[in-house]
Amino acid sequence: KNEVEQSPQNLTAQEGEFITINCSYSVGISALHWLQQHPGGGIVSLFMLSSGKKKHGRLIATINIQEKHSSLHITASHPRDSAVYICAVANAGGTSYGKLTFGQGTILTVHP
Amino acid sequence: SQTIHQWPATLVQPVGSPLSLECTVEGTSNPNLYWYRQAAGRGLQLLFYSVGIGQISSEVPQNLSASRPQDRQFILSSKKLLLSDSGFYLCACRERYTEAFFGQGTRLTVV
Repeated sequence: KNEVEQSPQNLTAQEGEFITINCSYSVGISALHWLQQHPGGGIVSLFMLSSGKKKHGRLIATINIQEKHSSLHITASHPRDSAVYICAVANAGGTSYGKLTFGQGTILTVHP
Repeated sequence: SQTIHQWPATLVQPVGSPLSLECTVEGTSNPNLYWYRQAAGRGLQLLFYSVGIGQISSEVPQNLSASRPQDRQFILSSKKLLLSDSGFYLCACRERYTEAFFGQGTRLTVV
């Protein structure tokens, strides 16, 4: 079993729909990252969370440390949101050196 | 903020040829640097990390090596490429408890 599991693996939506991507992890973490990867391959960091909730524009990320679960929400989705969304956790512990463990990614396609 | 420059963006190399991918970082000092690989249909996997000049740790046994000759320079190398080395290689920078920053990646195809 992977340390970081994302669901769904693929997600198709119509423009304007509310989208949720889930991430569950099995290890102790110091932080959780949500990343966006566009078809060209480059990765952009969307959020880093250690507790609670963060919002940036139409994107909202939440984390429940007790349940070891995080969600990424996109409100009023748009075709330009089409990308791969990746959850990554930074392991807790003094020897982690900031290393990240990644989920498999969720491929989101938003149709006009 | 930190910026990572990684090149080249795309590379096609024959089996048995050498490899050198370079990554440089701006906007920070003494960062932790990482090389990740994403094989087709799989998630990103950590290959190497470095906490300082000349300090390299390998996460998985493989045909590749890494070096950090300067504080903000991280190089991924191979003496002889294998077909299985094909993939998407990503350089990253992160300080503990802060955001991670990524390069644009290099798509390597070994033919």
